[in-house]
Amino acid sequence: ETGVTQSPTHLIKTRGQQVTLRCSSQSGHNTVSWYQQALGQGPQFIFQYYREEENGRGNFPPRFSGLQFPNYSSELNVNALELDDSALYLCASSLGDRASYEQYFGPGTRLTVT
Amino acid sequence: AQSVSQHNHHVILSEAASLELGCNYSYGGTVNLFWYVQYPGQHLQLLLKYFSGDPLVKGIKGFEAEFIKSKFSFNLRKPSVQWSDTAEYFCAVNVLTGGGNKLTFGTGTQLKVEL
Repeated sequence: ETGVTQSPTHLIKTRGQQVTLRCSSQSGHNTVSWYQQALGQGPQFIFQYYREEENGRGNFPPRFSGLQFPNYSSELNVNALELDDSALYLCASSLGDRASYEQYFGPGTRLTVT
Repeated sequence: AQSVSQHNHHVILSEAASLELGCNYSYGGTVNLFWYVQYPGQHLQLLLKYFSGDPLVKGIKGFEAEFIKSKFSFNLRKPSVQWSDTAEYFCAVNVLTGGGNKLTFGTGTQLKVEL
């Protein structure tokens, strides 16, 4: 059974640029959640996708957007990058969107914005 | 909106010492509670969870946590820590009404166990 994978591992971008991060969910999981973990902080919920539809969003601006594909993999897109977007971006997958389903986390993508 | 507080940001213990990490949440309704651990260089993984029933839950590697509803607390404990427990520990909640499967995390506690 393959766990949650994310790519790339590390990324350096310049302020104002756009970035796309990718996540492959664990086999059998149809729900993907994205979190931002700034240095010294806990992960913060960005949004969740369930069966290709956005299914909940945290307190992040519209320049954070996402997609989920028919195979349930997902992308996180961030436009007009700001210095404060520098963080570890975590993807988590689960069997469904119910609160009772455990979320399994990937290793994360470290984004640095200069 | 719910929030989670972890009051101990850095904890240093000697091997065999007992551990208790505090976690308090603010939400008046029904919640699921979790402790996650992140070992150096590894991804976030679940230590234990509480959904309902016995408020004392046991997780992996000898960890346990007690849910005290009246105190809105879910403290993590281990009777005797090992060097390999050095890691960052996160408490998290999700709410059962309208919250879907969104986790709200605390800021984490960095635990260092010295030999």
